[in-house]
Amino acid sequence: AQSVTQPDIHITVSEGASLELRCNYSYGATPYLFWYVQSPGQGLQLLLKYFSGDTLVQGIKGFEAEFKRSQSSFNLRKPSVHWSDAAEYFCAVDQGAQKLVFGQGTRLTINP
Amino acid sequence: DTGVSQDPRHKITKRGQNVTFRCDPISEHNRLYWYRQTLGQGPEFLTYFQNEAQLEKSRLLSDRFSAERPKGSFSTLEIQRTEQGDSAMYLCASSQPDGNEKLFFGSGTQLSVL
Repeated sequence: AQSVTQPDIHITVSEGASLELRCNYSYGATPYLFWYVQSPGQGLQLLLKYFSGDTLVQGIKGFEAEFKRSQSSFNLRKPSVHWSDAAEYFCAVDQGAQKLVFGQGTRLTINP
Repeated sequence: DTGVSQDPRHKITKRGQNVTFRCDPISEHNRLYWYRQTLGQGPEFLTYFQNEAQLEKSRLLSDRFSAERPKGSFSTLEIQRTEQGDSAMYLCASSQPDGNEKLFFGSGTQLSVL
């Protein structure tokens, strides 16, 4: 069965610092991978997705992620975080027909 | 574009009562999904529709749960004889199967079963 693991439940970084959120997946075929962000009281918003091709994908709000098949990873990065990036981040893999399997999420706190 | 809207935003009910939630997808989207999210966890897939046809139901969806999308537009999710374990955020999402594979999520309905 497909699964997604986000090893870090909570991460705190200082504003302006770089960020990397980890995601590991288990999937038999070439995965469709996603990162979503959820702010309190808001719906999930798609940051970026990987289907095929270039393994470094760019998303909205200055985020990027790199697909590494050998490590079964799809880590999310941002060179310099802003206070508004504080939120819950979810990695997900598509089981087909957009039935997503999500990780448990990483809560990001930004120190001023 | 009004986005995906869900109603109500919050629902508090007593154990054993029935509840119904509504989801209005983005108008041109023919796929509609229901997910459930419990505290501290990621969303879990429950069921999805293509137009009015319910194409798949997760094993998480017990017999007490039923979803409909009668005219291929809005959808309802009903939970009968609610249990405390049903307390969760119920999320609706919609999409167009255009190869973009982008789901648009609503803000959810937070259910609390007392």
